[in-house]
Amino acid sequence: QAGLTQPPSVSQGLRQTATLTCTGNSNNAGNQGAAWLQQHQGHPPKLLLYRNNNRPSGISERFSASRSGNTASLTITGLQPEDEADYYCSAWDSSLNAWVFGGGTKLTVL
Amino acid sequence: EVQLVESGGGLVKPGGSLRLSCAVSGLTFSNVWMTWVRQAPGKGLEWVGRIKSKTDGGTTDYAAPVKGRFTISRDDSKSPVYLQMNSLKTEDTAVYYCTTDSFTYWGQGTQVTVSS
Repeated sequence: QAGLTQPPSVSQGLRQTATLTCTGNSNNAGNQGAAWLQQHQGHPPKLLLYRNNNRPSGISERFSASRSGNTASLTITGLQPEDEADYYCSAWDSSLNAWVFGGGTKLTVL
Repeated sequence: EVQLVESGGGLVKPGGSLRLSCAVSGLTFSNVWMTWVRQAPGKGLEWVGRIKSKTDGGTTDYAAPVKGRFTISRDDSKSPVYLQMNSLKTEDTAVYYCTTDSFTYWGQGTQVTVSS
């Protein structure tokens, strides 16, 4: 089934800012925005942001999200070595009646 | 502390069945919508399905690849949520996670391998 599109990889320097994108359509990311999850190798995913820019307790303010049209974005400021992980976006698709995920972006901190 | 603990994974032959369980604690389980997500080896996350709370109708939604083969149910008296998987295919091989519908809380996952 149709999903969201994320770039496979992004690289950015230590203490720099990285922006990850997630493109869908008006039925998913363009409707209610996206959730963003972080996954380190061998661990379950962790929710970073939901409904675009709502942060669960304990999540650093270095993580923020935005949306423009059908594209959601995750911005990570002041990159740290521990930010190196896979990042997934997800949105409810009102036409499929299903959550859809992006393929994930592997973030490398140089 | 909220905990989700999956169990029931294992090795099964194609065409076989398996039932996964997810025990939930630290939440008012009856109010929570629960979701199953899977991750094939080396691949991304894939939504499997969800079950609403009984107060919201207790209905289920499924991803197209598993519809008609997988069934999600819940037992609010004991707080597990179940994933009954029938007619398993090799492409169902994955780590299966249970999570709250908002993705706020996750279990550690249970491995399901479908192979002859």
